[in-house]
Amino acid sequence: DTAVSQTPKYLVTQMGNDKSIKCEQNLGHDTMYWYKQDSKKFLKIMFSYNNKELIINETVPNRFSPKSPDKAHLNLHINSLELGDSAVYFCASSNRAYEQYFGPGTRLTVT
Amino acid sequence: SQQGEEDPQALSIQEGENATMNCSYKTSINNLQWYRQNSGRGLVHLILIRSNEREKHSGRLRVTLDTSKKSSSLLITASRAADTASYFCATDSSYGNNRLAFGKGNQVVVIP
Repeated sequence: DTAVSQTPKYLVTQMGNDKSIKCEQNLGHDTMYWYKQDSKKFLKIMFSYNNKELIINETVPNRFSPKSPDKAHLNLHINSLELGDSAVYFCASSNRAYEQYFGPGTRLTVT
Repeated sequence: SQQGEEDPQALSIQEGENATMNCSYKTSINNLQWYRQNSGRGLVHLILIRSNEREKHSGRLRVTLDTSKKSSSLLITASRAADTASYFCATDSSYGNNRLAFGKGNQVVVIP
């Protein structure tokens, strides 16, 4: 059984396009996160939702918009993609800031 | 702000040897966690140590925490080729902002 799943696993797109990444967790956790991991493996938090409410919104361009339709889902929509958006995006979930469960990642390549 | 600065950044050892990684942080914490990331995969939680604990074991893993020095170490004993991965520490700040701050990660290569 997959705990945290993300789709798609790979995403190759051109500059200027709009794309979405979906995340689902079946762990019953209250909190979900989006992280961006760059080419040097530095992991940076982008957003966090608790029970569908946005609680962390880091300094992220407003081209990035998270949406949480329910507690088990947190999607990430990116408008007007730029080259610098190329990275691996991870979804995670937890109960509070205890151990986090990560999805397999979505490798986004913007050409 | 980014806490957790692991040292060293890359480690290459022979199978059967022990691997030690260190992590330093800057603010008061509730707990410190270590995660492993295999190539092309998501992070996997390994162990959590609370601020009032000094040492914790889980299988071949041993974690220490020194809150006076704001540092932690992760020891992997009797390493195996399957331990080849990046290892990250992450801190849960006492400020209650409900987030983990991840360090830069240590790349460990275990040579069979």
